[in-house]
Amino acid sequence: DVKVTQSSRYLVKRTGEKVFLECVQDMDHENMFWYRQDPGLGLRLIYFSYDVKMKEKGDIPEGYSVSREKKERFSLILESASTNQTSMYLCASSLGRHTEAFFGQGTRLTVV
Amino acid sequence: KNQVEQSPQSLIILEGKNCTLQCNYTVSPFSNLRWYKQDTGRGPVSLTIMTFSENTKSNGRYTATLDADTKQSSLHITASQLSDSASYICVVREGQTGANNLFFGTGTRLTVIP
Repeated sequence: DVKVTQSSRYLVKRTGEKVFLECVQDMDHENMFWYRQDPGLGLRLIYFSYDVKMKEKGDIPEGYSVSREKKERFSLILESASTNQTSMYLCASSLGRHTEAFFGQGTRLTVV
Repeated sequence: KNQVEQSPQSLIILEGKNCTLQCNYTVSPFSNLRWYKQDTGRGPVSLTIMTFSENTKSNGRYTATLDADTKQSSLHITASQLSDSASYICVVREGQTGANNLFFGTGTRLTVIP
């Protein structure tokens, strides 16, 4: 079974803090993704990566950055957290560009 | 513009009853369509995948249909159980080569009550 593991289920951070969300997959997948999910808006793509050290902006990259130093790990970074970044963050991975995306369990981030 | 719309937004049904969720899309060119189930506070899990040539596919009590001509899909749940309470998300993949080619509906929130 594919496993996508996010480092935290729940996080509470203060405005202005630097926040790291970690994601690890164990199936040697090429592609990894970070989404945020908000009520009524569905999943929106923040960044994705199709190879180590490669990254591409998604639909809403502002206020975020990512890092992919190893194939299995994809990190999402909030340089200076703001209250409008309070959301559910979902990491996903897929083997190829037309194959199933497997999701992690999500991280519920609250910025106060 | 590539879009995925789901209806209804939310649905409450009695345990044991059937229900049907709808998904309309404008994504083109079409590659495939997946239905995901997302339990509260969890990540989405794939239920079924529909490709262009498939009309119907079942996974236990879940049956998905696809009409590629009208760009509509439905997910039918038979003999609902309390554990079916979740959000159901329709995801359409565009037939391009880029990795960023998934389009998400906003989901239908299903609540099954005893």
